[in-house]
Amino acid sequence: AQSVTQLDSQVPVFEEAPVELRCNYSSSVSVYLFWYVQYPNQGLQLLLKYLSGSTLVKGINGFEAEFNKSQTSFHLRKPSVHISDTAEYFCAVSTDNTDKLIFGTGTRLQVFP
Amino acid sequence: NAGVTQTPKFRVLKTGQSMTLLCAQDMNHEYMYWYRQDPGMGLRLIHYSVGEGTTAKGEVPDGYNVSRLKKQNFLLGLESAAPSQTSVYFCASSYFDRDNQPQHFGDGTRLSIL
Repeated sequence: AQSVTQLDSQVPVFEEAPVELRCNYSSSVSVYLFWYVQYPNQGLQLLLKYLSGSTLVKGINGFEAEFNKSQTSFHLRKPSVHISDTAEYFCAVSTDNTDKLIFGTGTRLQVFP
Repeated sequence: NAGVTQTPKFRVLKTGQSMTLLCAQDMNHEYMYWYRQDPGMGLRLIHYSVGEGTTAKGEVPDGYNVSRLKKQNFLLGLESAAPSQTSVYFCASSYFDRDNQPQHFGDGTRLSIL
């Protein structure tokens, strides 16, 4: 079975500072990895995804993530955050033999002016 | 350009009452999902469907039933609501082809059971 761990429940950061949101996964088979963002009172939107190929994936709003198979990680990064990036971020995993996504518990990014 | 629409957006029920949440998508997606979101627990899959007339259990199916009579609609039912079902419910849909993921989400239904 697959699982996803987001170790940081909250990440406070000042505007224009860099940020990294951590995601580790567990799976015995090849995985597909996703980051979603949820703004207040809204559903989830896809930020980026890793299906195959280059391990560095670029997404919307200046975010990027790197797939590291040896460390079973898929950390999300942004070099300079904005107030508007304040939201909850979810890492998710799926595999070839499932139609389902397994979500992490989420990381709340709070950007301060 | 509606995407995924959930009805209602808010509802308060008394313990033991029943209700149905409606999810409608206009993207011709084969797959549809129902999740619940609780603080500190992320999203947990309740039931899902890989096509019209098919449903399957997810991680937390107890106390819920679903139906997919039409490709564009996915209904979530609570037969006898319990306070433990107080949550925010999200519907999502996606294509069969993984390369054409992601899942598209509705804006959620906030359900309180008193």
